[in-house]
Amino acid sequence: DAGITQSPRHKVTETGTPVTLRCHQTENHRYMYWYRQDPGHGLRLIHYSYGVKDTDKGEVSDGYSVSRSKTEDFLLTLESATSSQTSVYFCATGGLQEEAFFGQGTRLTVV
Amino acid sequence: KQEVTQIPAALSVPEGENLVLNCSFTDSAIYNLQWFRQDPGKGLTSLLLIQSSQREQTSGRLNASLDKSSGRSTLYIAASQPGDSATYLCAVKGGGFKTIFGAGTRLFVKA
Repeated sequence: DAGITQSPRHKVTETGTPVTLRCHQTENHRYMYWYRQDPGHGLRLIHYSYGVKDTDKGEVSDGYSVSRSKTEDFLLTLESATSSQTSVYFCATGGLQEEAFFGQGTRLTVV
Repeated sequence: KQEVTQIPAALSVPEGENLVLNCSFTDSAIYNLQWFRQDPGKGLTSLLLIQSSQREQTSGRLNASLDKSSGRSTLYIAASQPGDSATYLCAVKGGGFKTIFGAGTRLFVKA
């Protein structure tokens, strides 16, 4: 257990509604990441953070925003959910030369 | 652009067999390579991390090697057990916080 908790674990939401996923870590990691995992695409980086209030885009960032107001919390927001954002979302920690650890994932369904 | 390929995509072996999973990558400018296992519906569990300056890492029945110059890594599992059944992912961390994942090898160990 790497001390990473994601919430909620499952969520069903309607198209067009905003959704926020939370990642909480207890190990004081500086770097945090949000990925999505889809069949046929594997794991892809959405956004990452390298410190409080320091964030940057990954390869599939369109339609997503993030915030990190505290070291332990990294929030992923879907401003207006679309069916293409139905996926499993994973939070992770780990710097450039550090071991990466993952949360248990959030299964999001947009109907 | 970094590409990570895992071969085979799926593997079924009888219990007790030694096996090798392969991972290849196209850009040798990496910080490290990490092997994970993922059980159905679960998050990723870190197995082994190999820094770019290292050649191999061992943990119990697992041994991972890295040949950066040829863009290859192997995960060796000794004396496989049914509990080893899972999907195994390799991930390569390069510059710009870009961690690229392979599509995985789905392993089934028959009792």
